[in-house]
Amino acid sequence: DQQVKQNSPSLSVQEGRISILNCDYTNSMFDYFLWYKKYPAEGPTFLISISSIKDKNEDGRFTVFLNKSAKHLSLHIVPSQPGDSAVYFCAASDGTYKYIFGTGTRLKVLA
Amino acid sequence: EPEVTQTPSHQVTQMGQEVILRCVPISNHLYFYWYRQILGQKVEFLVSFYNNEISEKSEIFDDQFSVERPDGSNFTLKIRSTKLEDSAMYFCASRRDINQPQHFGDGTRLSIL
Repeated sequence: DQQVKQNSPSLSVQEGRISILNCDYTNSMFDYFLWYKKYPAEGPTFLISISSIKDKNEDGRFTVFLNKSAKHLSLHIVPSQPGDSAVYFCAASDGTYKYIFGTGTRLKVLA
Repeated sequence: EPEVTQTPSHQVTQMGQEVILRCVPISNHLYFYWYRQILGQKVEFLVSFYNNEISEKSEIFDDQFSVERPDGSNFTLKIRSTKLEDSAMYFCASRRDINQPQHFGDGTRLSIL
């Protein structure tokens, strides 16, 4: 049951360039989307979220874009920094209590 | 910044034994969650807890599992008669209200031998 998919298991980007992480979903009832970052041996850390009534939300170097018609969201990190190297999970909610997570994309920012 | 804390960080248990995983959510939070992540797989929802009762649970959360908020600060996940396939990272999360993001602890690695 892959309601939330992250098709790229890994991504490498040069420091200072833009990182674009992608996420697709299948459930049209999802109305709230989030991105979490996870370092080894730590729990997921909330990064940024977006409601389905918006198509963009920005917080510093992080911007999330939502394309409802394509059921696609993306996270842009610019400029990318070595400390951004981590696993990034997108998550979605349909207004119930739980989040549905994607499988994660491992981002490596090269110095 | 307030954090969700989980203990122990690593628990090793013999198959068939009971285990209790402990969590201290952020103090003014009202919604509490358990998730698990089997090695190499995605983070999966187990259960949510609000107002001293389970508000939602997944199909994974069967009779083997139970949750409790025994006092005003702790939130526990009990797994009875553990199985090898219960080996995973278990994450606790909490949030103040339904419109806020969930905040996660660093997890308990459960190893069933």
